[in-house]
Amino acid sequence: DTAVSQTPKYLVTQMGNDKSIKCEQNLGHDTMYWYKQDSKKFLKIMFSYNNKELIINETVPNRFSPKSPDKAHLNLHINSLELGDSAVYFCASSQDGYEQFFGPGTRLTVL
Amino acid sequence: RKEVEQDPGPFNVPEGATVAFNCTYSNSASQSFFWYRQDCRKEPKLLMSVYSSGNEDGRFTAQLNRASQYISLLIRDSKLSDSATYLCVLNYGQNFVFGPGTRLSVLP
Repeated sequence: DTAVSQTPKYLVTQMGNDKSIKCEQNLGHDTMYWYKQDSKKFLKIMFSYNNKELIINETVPNRFSPKSPDKAHLNLHINSLELGDSAVYFCASSQDGYEQFFGPGTRLTVL
Repeated sequence: RKEVEQDPGPFNVPEGATVAFNCTYSNSASQSFFWYRQDCRKEPKLLMSVYSSGNEDGRFTAQLNRASQYISLLIRDSKLSDSATYLCVLNYGQNFVFGPGTRLSVLP
């Protein structure tokens, strides 16, 4: 049973489109995260939710909007996609600051 | 200064070698420390937590020096399967900060 799952795994789209990535965790964790890993492989936090409340919101364009319908789900919607948004997006979850469990990643390519 | 800095690598070592990675951090409020491993085109996975007294897990030894704000990872008797990128990670509260990673290639 997959602990943290993301869909889709690959996403290829045109500039200017709007797209969503979904994440679900079945670990019962209270905190979920979105990370962006760019072509230089640097993993940078974007958002964090704790029990459906936004607790970390790094400097990210407001075209990115996270949404947590419940503590097991954290989705990411991106408006007006740009070339620079091409990256791998990882979802993760943790409990009380202990080990983070990552999803398999969504490889986004903007053409 | 970046929040977490690591040896840039890549480290290319023969099988059986011992290799050490270093990591320095700038935020003295950091509470917990970890080493993660990331294989090519895969997600990061926890390798081991790092405790103040130092800890060992098989061929892997991690050390933490809070005074110098320094973490290390030692891998003994390297295997081909150890080839990956090793990420130094620190945590304060619910926030995790990842280093840029050090790439290791173990050669036959």
